[in-house]
Amino acid sequence: DTGVSQDPRHKITKRGQNVTFRCDPISEHNRLYWYRQTLGQGPEFLTYFQNEAQLEKSRLLSDRFSAERPKGSFSTLEIQRTEQGDSAMYLCASGLGALEARSSSGNTIYFGEGSWLTVV
Amino acid sequence: GQSLEQPSEVTAVEGAIVQINCTYQTSGFYGLSWYQQHDGGAPTFLSYNALDGLEETGRFSSFLSRSDSYGYLLLQELQMKDSASYFCAASSGNTPLVFGKGTRLSVIA
Repeated sequence: DTGVSQDPRHKITKRGQNVTFRCDPISEHNRLYWYRQTLGQGPEFLTYFQNEAQLEKSRLLSDRFSAERPKGSFSTLEIQRTEQGDSAMYLCASGLGALEARSSSGNTIYFGEGSWLTVV
Repeated sequence: GQSLEQPSEVTAVEGAIVQINCTYQTSGFYGLSWYQQHDGGAPTFLSYNALDGLEETGRFSSFLSRSDSYGYLLLQELQMKDSASYFCAASSGNTPLVFGKGTRLSVIA
């Protein structure tokens, strides 16, 4: 399988605990994105990387959230001191940085199956 | 800021045609994408329009009018398996895709 993979698929944790999610992007993609999605809503952008550089972080990403992509390949998203409001599906996606700004290949991202987080 | 508006729900009969509209307000707009998401699954890419006009891919077509900041997804010969949520998403510059809240399509017999 050469798609985006995420682990774990499901995580139940107690409030206050730390959790970490891992994402392995499509190998030839240099961009990696993290989104969060709750029921009935669209994916909300959290942060993204081009290679190992974290280029943008959303205001949704509080200081309890940290993401890394140490070697420009896989990425981790850690949530510290989880709160019930963190319960959501965390989606990872990857894509090509746009060589041609308006090209389809440069503006299409491919999602993994997501990591469901439930904070109890 | 950037925002996209799409209807929250649409119901259509199997075999029929349905159109899901999307209007956007995005600075530096590049193009409009459509994604499909089944319950419990991940969003999957359907189409991308950078230029005005209609793009056809099998039973699905997508349309864009840049002057009207408007696009739509057209699904023909609806099948029960098309029941899902459909999201429009706007690309602009080097900023990540911004998604609408989604339209839940229910296909009924």
